[in-house]
Amino acid sequence: GAVVSQHPSWVICKSGTSVKIECRSLDFQATTMFWYRQFPKQSLMLMATSNEGSKATYEQGVEKDKFLINHASLTLSTLTVTSAHPEDSSFYICSAVTGGDYGYTFGSGTRLTVV
Amino acid sequence: KNQVEQSPQSLIILEGKNCTLQCNYTVSPFSNLRWYKQDTGRGPVSLTIMTFSENTKSNGRYTATLDADTKQSSLHITASQLSDSASYICVVSASQAGTALIFGKGTTLSVSS
Repeated sequence: GAVVSQHPSWVICKSGTSVKIECRSLDFQATTMFWYRQFPKQSLMLMATSNEGSKATYEQGVEKDKFLINHASLTLSTLTVTSAHPEDSSFYICSAVTGGDYGYTFGSGTRLTVV
Repeated sequence: KNQVEQSPQSLIILEGKNCTLQCNYTVSPFSNLRWYKQDTGRGPVSLTIMTFSENTKSNGRYTATLDADTKQSSLHITASQLSDSASYICVVSASQAGTALIFGKGTTLSVSS
């Protein structure tokens, strides 16, 4: 079945630094990927839609300059959290539409802790 | 307003017992309803996907039902195992492409021995 690989699975960084999270579709091409944020015991919150070869579409309230999304190929989307602050600490999850039978696969998530 | 409500919020059952999780939605237009299992610290994993015309779908010990008229769905887990302990999320889609997914807050299931 379709596999979405997300890396790293966890990361700790210092305030003010930037962190890049990768999301790869391993056995299919994904023209569209999605980035979510999830707080403890909360539902997934869509941050942005990543489109291959074009600019990402951000949800209302999500800072474009803080959460940089790049989808340079059909198998890779990256989310860069710039100038990270402790309040950016969260669980970030990507997903991709796999096509056929309404397939929609999530990555394994990245736990970001900013200290 | 498009919403997905899940109940109960949390549930504790003994290993081997059955349980049923509920999902009510007010999403329009409706394309499909998905149930996901999310282990702590992991991404959601798909259990079932149902369209408007389907009223039941099984995946091993998981059986999902859908009543499109009343806009209700349930996930029944049979003969629970310790590994079933997780959050179960109901997600309703207003389109096929994966956009406009409306997430429920999930039901946290704890299976104890």
